[in-house]
Amino acid sequence: KNEVEQSPQNLTAQEGEFITINCSYSVGISALHWLQQHPGGGIVSLFMLSSGKKKHGRLIATINIQEKHSSLHITASHPRDSAVYICAVGEGGADGLTFGKGTHLIIQP
Amino acid sequence: DAGVIQSPRHEVTEMGQEVTLRCKPISGHNSLFWYRQTMMRGLELLIYFNNNVPIDDSGMPEDRFSAKMPNASFSTLKIQPSEPRDSAVYFCASSQLAGGGETQYFGPGTRLLVL
Repeated sequence: KNEVEQSPQNLTAQEGEFITINCSYSVGISALHWLQQHPGGGIVSLFMLSSGKKKHGRLIATINIQEKHSSLHITASHPRDSAVYICAVGEGGADGLTFGKGTHLIIQP
Repeated sequence: DAGVIQSPRHEVTEMGQEVTLRCKPISGHNSLFWYRQTMMRGLELLIYFNNNVPIDDSGMPEDRFSAKMPNASFSTLKIQPSEPRDSAVYFCASSQLAGGGETQYFGPGTRLLVL
């Protein structure tokens, strides 16, 4: 069973700062997902990636398959980015996702 | 598209009662996942269906939990009898392909409280 570790668990930053959240996993995967969970509880998929890098607006996700590591970056952070960011991995075939514990991000104005 | 629909959104019940959670996946998706989220354990996979067939139910806590998918547009997760430790948010998600290689779309969740 894959072990997914995220760091940091909690992060408080000022508006405009560059944010990095890290994720590592123990077993080879078919894809890694970054999810966002807002205070209201809804979960939204931000990225799914199996190699390289993806960018969407101010969000950038990278993955290093050899190192079994991924990072989520937020540029020019804004209070509306405050949420829990969850890393999850899929091992392909018949498996659902295995989740990290999440990073609770607060961006202060 | 309405997205993944779950009902009820909130459920409060007493220990020993039967609880049924419902999910309607996004039309055209052929994989459906049930997840549970608690403060202690975070998000966990309970069971996964592909083309209405249960593929992996190893995450189902015990025999009190059962899930069905009678057709491509409906799934249920039943707890009988319910216990206070079942209190959690239960999410249903769907995707277009099996496994972890496609984006999963999550429903709003059912917040269950067992007294």
